[in-house]
Amino acid sequence: DTGVSQDPRHKITKRGQNVTFRCDPISEHNRLYWYRQTLGQGPEFLTYFQNEAQLEKSRLLSDRFSAERPKGSFSTLEIQRTEQGDSAMYLCASSLLAGSAGELFFGEGSRLTVL
Amino acid sequence: GEDVEQSLFLSVREGDSSVINCTYTDSSSTYLYWYKQEPGAGLQLLTYIFSNMDMKQDQRLTVLLNKKDKHLSLRIADTQTGDSAIYFCAESTRGGADGLTFGKGTHLIIQP
Repeated sequence: DTGVSQDPRHKITKRGQNVTFRCDPISEHNRLYWYRQTLGQGPEFLTYFQNEAQLEKSRLLSDRFSAERPKGSFSTLEIQRTEQGDSAMYLCASSLLAGSAGELFFGEGSRLTVL
Repeated sequence: GEDVEQSLFLSVREGDSSVINCTYTDSSSTYLYWYKQEPGAGLQLLTYIFSNMDMKQDQRLTVLLNKKDKHLSLRIADTQTGDSAIYFCAESTRGGADGLTFGKGTHLIIQP
């Protein structure tokens, strides 16, 4: 399968713990995005990378959130000191920069439940 | 700011056409998209339309764009049970380069 893959698919944690999600984009895609989706809502933009550079961060991304894409390939999203309000589906997407209409290709998401 | 609005639910009979509507506020939107999300799955791009187009057809899907009214619609002909999903309208203002703004999604319910 050459699509976007995310790991883990589900994570249950206790409030105050740290969690990390990983995303492997489509190999030739140089842009990588993180979105958050809560029940009954559409995906909300968190941040995106062009290669290894993080170009934009949403106001939704508090100081407890950090994302990296160290070699311009896979990316990690870490949430420190999790809160119940962090419970959501975290979606990763990738796209080609050049010659595209900005189509995003999404992974199946990592569902976080904070108890 | 950017805002994308959709009706939350649409119920249609199998075999009929479904029309899902979306309005957006940002007049500088360059591309508009329709994504489909089935239960427990990620979002799948169905189709997109560039802002200088009025219509785009792809098999059973027809997208209509009224740029003056900032209104986008997705028509699914001959709706089947497999079309049951949540449909998200999304827009981008810089060719998608900085990500998309999504609506809350329309739940398409198919009646037998």
